[in-house]
Parts: sequence; structure tokens; C-alpha cells
Amino acid sequence: DGGITQSPKYLFRKEGQNVTLSCEQNLNHDAMYWYRQDPGQGLRLIYYSQIVNDFQKGDIAEGYSVSREKKESFPLTVTSAQKNPTAFYLCASSITQGARVTGELFFGEGSRLTVL
Amino acid sequence: GEDVEQSLFLSVREGDSSVINCTYTDSSSTYLYWYKQEPGAGLQLLTYIFSNMDMKQDQRLTVLLNKKDKHLSLRIADTQTGDSAIYFCAESGSSASKIIFGSGTRLSIRP
Repeated sequence: DGGITQSPKYLFRKEGQNVTLSCEQNLNHDAMYWYRQDPGQGLRLIYYSQIVNDFQKGDIAEGYSVSREKKESFPLTVTSAQKNPTAFYLCASSITQGARVTGELFFGEGSRLTVL
Repeated sequence: GEDVEQSLFLSVREGDSSVINCTYTDSSSTYLYWYKQEPGAGLQLLTYIFSNMDMKQDQRLTVLLNKKDKHLSLRIADTQTGDSAIYFCAESGSSASKIIFGSGTRLSIRP
């Protein structure tokens, strides 16, 4: 079945370490997104990519980095520069061209990062 | 700027109707959405409404859109325990590549 797979589901990190969260999709979607979710704050956009080898900063990109070398993959690195990295991270994808475009986002199951 | 607001909590009795409300600011939004998030999981699209519609019904779900007041609501008829979740309102905003989410409404069901 088609979908989005995020890994790992849970991750613990010591302060000062970089960590990379994986996101893979087999939906053949062009656009991919990373959101951060904190209690009572909804979803905030970190980075998004509309096409391979191109990506843009979202609202809270500081302390994060991404790459988009393949259409299926959009990994997120949480660097040591991110001051408050403990959160639930959600990856999503969407169709951006063609008659079926409704802007619907398809989400992965999320990765919960805890900094010790 | 673009903003979506919704109340944080709603509690209803099992079998009653739930109404979750949302206000948004961007009148140019093409689509407005309701997503559902169950504990520890990602979001799933429940339904969406095109901006030139006033109402959309899908089984137990009814979406009402008041463009003049920029108000969107989701009504869940005959609320069940399986409806317990966080419900997010979202708008497509001025850019199709950037969907704006509200803070989510946590719906709890009491017996």
C-alpha cells in the first residue's frame, strides 16, 4: 500500500548531538513537508520541498536542515543549534500538479524526539 | 498575516452532536480542511470544502462555511467514543504549497 513512513518513532538525544529523522513516501508526490507539533500550538512548518533538489524554509527553520536528493525521501536533521528540540515531528506529502490537486496533505505517523 | 483559530477543548456526551468551530483570516483560501489526529499518530484528512460552497455533508460529518464571517464548523452527529481525537482546522492560504493549521480542538467523549 502507498503511504509515508517515518522513522524512528521514538528517539532520545543528548544535548549537543545532531539527529536525523527519516521520511520516505511511495505515493509519487512531488511536494514534501516537515512540521513540528507542540501541545496546544498546532502544527508549525519547518521546511518544505516542491521538487527534487529544491527546498524552502518554513516558519521555524532555525536549527534544522533538510535535503531532497530523491523524490521519495526528505530527511530532517535536528542540529545542536535547535534550542528546544523536544517535540513531535510530522512529515507529509502532497500532489501539486494536475486535475486532482486539492492541497490535501498525507501524513506519516510521526517521530517523537526527546532531548535528555 | 494568515491565521487559523479554534478552541482547545470540547467535551460531549456519547450520542450527542459535537460542533467544532474555527475562524480563519485569509479570504483567498481555495480549500478549507478538517483533519483528525488520534493519540500518537499523524493527521488524517476527514473532509474538505471548496471555498465557493456553503455546506458539505458526508455521513455523520457536516461542514458549514460562512465566508462573510470567515467561520468554518464541523458537526459530528451521534458522537461515539471512537471520535475522541484532536481535530485540526486548516486553510490552503494564499499559496497552495503552504497549508495553515489551527491549534487543534481536543474532543473528549463522556458516557
